[in-house]
Amino acid sequence: AQSVTQLDSQVPVFEEAPVELRCNYSSSVSVYLFWYVQYPNQGLQLLLKYLSGSTLVKGINGFEAEFNKSQTSFHLRKPSVHISDTAEYFCAVSDIRGSNYKLTFGKGTLLTVNP
Amino acid sequence: DAGVIQSPRHEVTEMGQEVTLRCKPISGHNSLFWYRQTMMRGLELLIYFNNNVPIDDSGMPEDRFSAKMPNASFSTLKIQPSEPRDSAVYFCASRPTGGSNQPQHFGDGTRLSIL
Repeated sequence: AQSVTQLDSQVPVFEEAPVELRCNYSSSVSVYLFWYVQYPNQGLQLLLKYLSGSTLVKGINGFEAEFNKSQTSFHLRKPSVHISDTAEYFCAVSDIRGSNYKLTFGKGTLLTVNP
Repeated sequence: DAGVIQSPRHEVTEMGQEVTLRCKPISGHNSLFWYRQTMMRGLELLIYFNNNVPIDDSGMPEDRFSAKMPNASFSTLKIQPSEPRDSAVYFCASRPTGGSNQPQHFGDGTRLSIL
């Protein structure tokens, strides 16, 4: 079984500041990692995913994340945020065994970008 | 291309009434998931279908909840009778063939309020 911990439930930042949203996971097997974003009154949209290869993954809207196997982390970063990045962000993991369909989500981090 | 389509977007009804939520997955996707999202419990997986067959319904909270997938392009989640504690946002997601490395695609959800 897997678990995901998003260390901050809320992150307020000012526009054009850098931001890091932290995610740690626990699993007894190798995993795939995902970040999703949820804008108000919408469903979750995929930001980026790590499957294998380079540990630095680039996604949409200027976001990137780095997989650190030794620290079991997958932190999300953006060098300069915009007001429009205000949303809730979810980290999720699934194990690499094809028979396992479950996506385990963290509790979410609410990013609020202030002018 | 069309994403996952859910209807209705909002539903307000009195306790004891039957509620039916509908989902049209992305064409060609063979996996379908129903989730419930609340502030207290976050995102919970209710049921998972693969090739129209229910594989795991262990997340369905009670016998009042039932889900069907009569064909590859349609699924329903029914609550009968509904209770105020069922108030939540219900999401449907679909995933293409390929296993757990494929991301899930979410609909915009149905916001359900039981009075």
